[in-house]
Amino acid sequence: QKEVEQDPGPLSVPEGAIVSLNCTYSNSAFQYFMWYRQYSRKGPELLMYTYSSGNKEDGRFTAQVDKSSKYISLFIRDSQPSDSATYLCAIATDKLIFGTGTRLQVFP
Amino acid sequence: EPEVTQTPSHQVTQMGQEVILRCVPISNHLYFYWYRQILGQKVEFLVSFYNNEISEKSEIFDDQFSVERPDGSNFTLKIRSTKLEDSAMYFCASSPRDGGFTEAFFGQGTRLTVV
Repeated sequence: QKEVEQDPGPLSVPEGAIVSLNCTYSNSAFQYFMWYRQYSRKGPELLMYTYSSGNKEDGRFTAQVDKSSKYISLFIRDSQPSDSATYLCAIATDKLIFGTGTRLQVFP
Repeated sequence: EPEVTQTPSHQVTQMGQEVILRCVPISNHLYFYWYRQILGQKVEFLVSFYNNEISEKSEIFDDQFSVERPDGSNFTLKIRSTKLEDSAMYFCASSPRDGGFTEAFFGQGTRLTVV
């Protein structure tokens, strides 16, 4: 079983939509959950992280962890064309373990 | 804002040649990493480096790979004899790890093309 699984998409939404991006993970001992954004042929950019369960909000972005179901989510409100990118979830331990990334396209 | 810088941005090399990829991590960070991303695939961990030695390496990081921090600022990845399958984006990252976990900041990457 893979440590982190993520639907690769692509996900295509109209501007202004609420976007939900999701990952599942296998090891219940994981505590830190990261979200990165990656534009084409660029390095991953840290968006936000959460510790253990619960929500964390930063502007239009909300990260959510449900440890009981080993499910992590990133919600983007009022999505913009500039949000078009690949979104990577990652588990943070002594290193980062990435999911495959979900490609998001927001069209005007 | 401090950032991780990588050079070159693109490197083309012939199979069997040695390449050195260079990185300048964020200055007060203590942990350094190399990751790679083959086109269309996920970002994969190669190696972590702390206190002038390798702290962990993946199965990808075989004897053809080595890392070095030759001075107080640079962090390099050397591939001794490149293969076609080494073609990928290579990302350097650094982390303060002061929260006890890897909050890593990435460079823009070096695209390595082996021909």
